[in-house]
Amino acid sequence: EGQLEQSTAEVKKPGESLKISCKGSGFTFGNYWIGWVRQMPGRGLEWMGIIYPGDSDTAYSPSFQGQVTISADKSISTAYLQWRSLNVSDSAMYYCARQISGAITIFGVPEIAFDVWGQGTMVTVSS
Amino acid sequence: QSVLTQAPSASGTPGQRVTISCSGSSSNIETNYIYWYQQLPGTAPRLLIYRNSQRPSGVPDRFSGSKSGTSASLAISGLRSEDEADYYCVVWDDSLSVWVFGGGTKLTVL
Repeated sequence: EGQLEQSTAEVKKPGESLKISCKGSGFTFGNYWIGWVRQMPGRGLEWMGIIYPGDSDTAYSPSFQGQVTISADKSISTAYLQWRSLNVSDSAMYYCARQISGAITIFGVPEIAFDVWGQGTMVTVSS
Repeated sequence: QSVLTQAPSASGTPGQRVTISCSGSSSNIETNYIYWYQQLPGTAPRLLIYRNSQRPSGVPDRFSGSKSGTSASLAISGLRSEDEADYYCVVWDDSLSVWVFGGGTKLTVL
């Protein structure tokens, strides 16, 4: 089945950098797309982007392109979401999620069928 | 404001059949697959429906998805108290080149 374990909650100040992680187990990490989804407090879900750890192929939402960096190290079955300079508006819960087996692509972007999710990492940015 | 419109709330009684709708446009629902997620309070989302009407393993057949034109629906039959959650539709938007989520519908089981 597989599991995703995310890093613990973070409290940061505006302007600081941050890298959160998502470690997979129980499946061949390099063979599945791993996506990131943001949920701001009391709000809905937003697709941020996705990475294929096997070759680090990455796609971003236009809203997050240039604002975050998605990366992965398949040797340790871990994906990352990184900020160079946090804003207060980055305060949110961030989820990583695994694509279903046999996922298709839509206009070159993997479909948004995530069957395994991490528990979420809460990021709080406050001065 | 999302390009996909969902009613903010819905309700039903145990055993009832409820439908949650998602309205879009020709650049998203009409031409692309729709997906549905359930999010129980304080938990990560769960995939309920993919590619309009497919259920992942483990999702009961009480949940079903359909699409017609620029609208899609998630139907839940035999409503149970544990179905009380937020439900989100999501689809690729050709104009925005991004996966867009609906604003979510909060389902209350009375």
